[in-house]
Parts: sequence; C-alpha cells; structure tokens
Amino acid sequence: AIRMTQSPSSLSASTGDRVTITCRASQGISSYLAWYQQKAGKAPKLLIYAASTLQSGVPSRLSGSGSGTDFTLTISCLQSEDFATYYCQQYHSSPWTFGQGTKVEIK
Amino acid sequence: EVQLLESGGGLVQWGGSLRLSCAASGFTFSNYAMNWVRQAPGKGLEWVSVISGSAGSTDYADSVKGRFILSRDISNNTLYLQMSSVRAEDTATYYCAKGVTRLPSSAFDIWGQGTMVTVSS
Repeated sequence: AIRMTQSPSSLSASTGDRVTITCRASQGISSYLAWYQQKAGKAPKLLIYAASTLQSGVPSRLSGSGSGTDFTLTISCLQSEDFATYYCQQYHSSPWTFGQGTKVEIK
Repeated sequence: EVQLLESGGGLVQWGGSLRLSCAASGFTFSNYAMNWVRQAPGKGLEWVSVISGSAGSTDYADSVKGRFILSRDISNNTLYLQMSSVRAEDTATYYCAKGVTRLPSSAFDIWGQGTMVTVSS
C-alpha cells in the first residue's frame, strides 16, 4: 500500500497567518491526491482534488499544488473557520490511503 | 440536494454480524463510485471499500477483505456494507462517501454523517 505522510502533525497559528501543510507519498501518484478538512464530530469535507482543483464552494484562500510524490495545501490567510484537522488522500492505487492528519490549532 | 444518510450502526458482539445502509438522494446513484470510510475513536481515516458506478465492481481494504461485503440496490439508491466476523479493531464511525466520478479512483466529494459501530467482547 502507498503510505501518505503529512507534516507537521499539528501546528499552532493565528488568524491571518499563511499556513502550509505537506503530504508525501511513498511512491508516485501523479496528481491523484485529495485534501479534506474535518472538524470535531463532523464528517470530512472535500477541499481539493486532482492535487490542485478547488472543490466548488471552497474559498480561494485555500490552494493545493504538487505532483508525483510531494504535495502541499496552503491556506493564504487563516480564518477562524479553518481551525480543524486536514487529511491528504491518494486515490492512484488501491487501497486508497490517507495521511495521518494535521491539526491546525489556534495560537 | 445531494445527501447521504447512513444507518444500521450499533453494538455488536465480537465475531458477530451487522449490516450498514447508506441512502442516497439528489444524484443518479448508479453514475458514481460509492465508498465506505471508517474512523476509529480519536484516530485518522481509513478507506474500507468501494463499488464502481458502472459495472459495480468492488474492492476492499485488506483489513476487511473476506469479512465485509459491499453491495448496492440501484432501484432504492441504497448502498450496503455487510459486516461479518467483526473484531475489536472494527470499532469506528463508518462514513458513506460518494466518488467524484464513476471510477473507483475518485476523490470523495459528498459524505454522510456517519454511523457508529462498537464491537464488544
């Protein structure tokens, strides 16, 4: 199975900060990479798919980049509603696998 | 409105069986891949199974292969996960998730609210 490794596992940031989360795949996955946001007690929400395509309704301050093995999720200006846990997921090869998550907390 | 509503979770004894359901509405059910993803308490996300939107082919995580069966009823827009020989490590919230396309290799754009399964010894 392809292993997805996110870094950092957690971070503290303030509203207005620029935040970057990285995701590394153990082998090449082209652009078959999605990012999800999950808030406590809620289902995950799709943010970005195909590595850089913003899902409808997701604010443009979020962006994704990368291909192959290295990917990033960037939040350009952190808002209060962005404090959550973020997961990357590859859907290139079964079994589809997720990163361990990155918790974005208020500093 | 596109919606997924899971049901069927609950307490099940080790080695027992349980069937989860996911009722879909607001989209043409047979045109999209459908998945189950689970999350153990306080842990991350684990993909469980997928059924493709066209041929209805299925695939499973190794952790559930041979114990879980994924099926669908297109006439009722419902997805099922039959769980058998359950183990403690199957304890989790189970989410139904719709694929962006009919292909199994799709991101998951719509998620249900989840249904909790607890395996007791």
